[in-house]
Amino acid sequence: QKEVEQDPGPLSVPEGAIVSLNCTYSNSAFQYFMWYRQYSRKGPELLMYTYSSGNKEDGRFTAQVDKSSKYISLFIRDSQPSDSATYLCAMITGGSEKLVFGKGTKLTVNP
Amino acid sequence: DAGITQSPRYKITETGRQVTLMCHQTWSHSYMFWYRQDLGHGLRLIYYSAAADITDKGEVPDGYVVSRSKTENFPLTLESATRSQTSVYFCASRSSNQPQHFGDGTRLSIL
Repeated sequence: QKEVEQDPGPLSVPEGAIVSLNCTYSNSAFQYFMWYRQYSRKGPELLMYTYSSGNKEDGRFTAQVDKSSKYISLFIRDSQPSDSATYLCAMITGGSEKLVFGKGTKLTVNP
Repeated sequence: DAGITQSPRYKITETGRQVTLMCHQTWSHSYMFWYRQDLGHGLRLIYYSAAADITDKGEVPDGYVVSRSKTENFPLTLESATRSQTSVYFCASRSSNQPQHFGDGTRLSIL
């Protein structure tokens, strides 16, 4: 079993839709969870950073962590064409430098 | 706010040649990282550094050499390039207790 599983998509939605992106993981020691957005030919850009379980909201983005289910989600409300990108989940244990990434979900928001 | 600068952005070379990818950050972050990103594998850690003159191996270090004589620079050298090292290379950095921030990558093709 891979440490982090992420559905690669692709996912195509109409503008204004609510988007749900998810990752599951197997290592219960993961404590810090991140979502990165990566546009074509650019580097990953940090979107959300959360510690342990719970929700975090930033504008149209909400990150959820459920450690009991080993499941994290990113919700995008009122999606825009500019949200079209690949979204990478990432996680790490405390005291480690080895960030473990999902393989990314490619999202297209159609005008 | 320059952040992380990677150079060159694109590089084509031949098998057996030595090539060095440069990474420079202006934040004075103590930690720096090198990743490669390949279809089907996602982002994989090559090497990282916790401070000047301190480096450690990541998941896929074979065939690569790093050095860190100054906090702001973290060059990655392929001593004898092979076709399997054709990839997109990303540098990242972070300060203590903060997530990683990435550069825009170097696309390396080895013929």
